[in-house]
Amino acid sequence: DAGVTQSPTHLIKTRGQHVTLRCSPISGHKSVSWYQQVLGQGPQFIFQYYEKEERGRGNFPDRFSARQFPNYSSELNVNALLLGDSALYLCASSSSQSSYEQYFGPGTRLTVT
Amino acid sequence: AQSVTQLGSHVSVSEGALVLLRCNYSSSVPPYLFWYVQYPNQGLQLLLKYTSAATLVKGINGFEAEFKKSETSFHLTKPSAHMSDAAEYFCAVNPWGGSQGNLIFGKGTKLSVKP
Repeated sequence: DAGVTQSPTHLIKTRGQHVTLRCSPISGHKSVSWYQQVLGQGPQFIFQYYEKEERGRGNFPDRFSARQFPNYSSELNVNALLLGDSALYLCASSSSQSSYEQYFGPGTRLTVT
Repeated sequence: AQSVTQLGSHVSVSEGALVLLRCNYSSSVPPYLFWYVQYPNQGLQLLLKYTSAATLVKGINGFEAEFKKSETSFHLTKPSAHMSDAAEYFCAVNPWGGSQGNLIFGKGTKLSVKP
C-alpha cells in the first residue's frame, strides 16, 4: 500500500504570495493532520481534519487554512507569505480522529524569498 | 501546559557504543509517548510508542524506550550504535488522553555515529 503522499516536493515563493500544498492519506485513513517544521526545530501542529471537518487547530495565524475533500485528501493554504513561513510542511494521516498513531509523508519544502 | 523536552540537541557516539537519547514530558493526563526518526530530507518514521501498556517498549531497528512516570521520562536507548542510526530523533507526546490525535514534539536530538 502507498504511504502518505505530498505534493509538490519543493516550492519557492515570494513574500506576499499564496501557496497550496496537497496531501493524500494512506488508503482507509480518514484523518489528516498538518505540521510545520522550521529548520532546527521539531514539528508544530497546525490543523487536524477528520471527515472533512476541522477537529483541531494549533497556534497559527488566520493566514493558514486547510480543507479536506470527500476522498480524504487535504490541502493546506497559506496566504500573504512571510519569510518566516519557510519550513518543511508535513502531512500525517491516521485512521480516526483520536488515533494517536500518525503516519507522516515526506513533506513539502517551502522557501519564501 | 503540555510539553516535551529533549536534553541535548546533538549527541555523538562511536559505532558499537550505547545510544541514549533523553526525553522528559509534562502532561496533565496519562500520556501516549512516541519516538520518531527523521533522515535528511525525509519525513518522520515511527520508531516506537508507549500507550499505557508495558513500560518498556521495543521498537524497530533495535531501539527501545522505558516509560518512567515518577521521572516523567521516556528515554530512548540502543545497546550498540550503527552508522545507519545517524539521523535526527524526535520525542513526541499525545497529552489528550486519546480524545485527539495531534502530537506535541520536542526540538529533536541529532545523533552522529563515528566509525
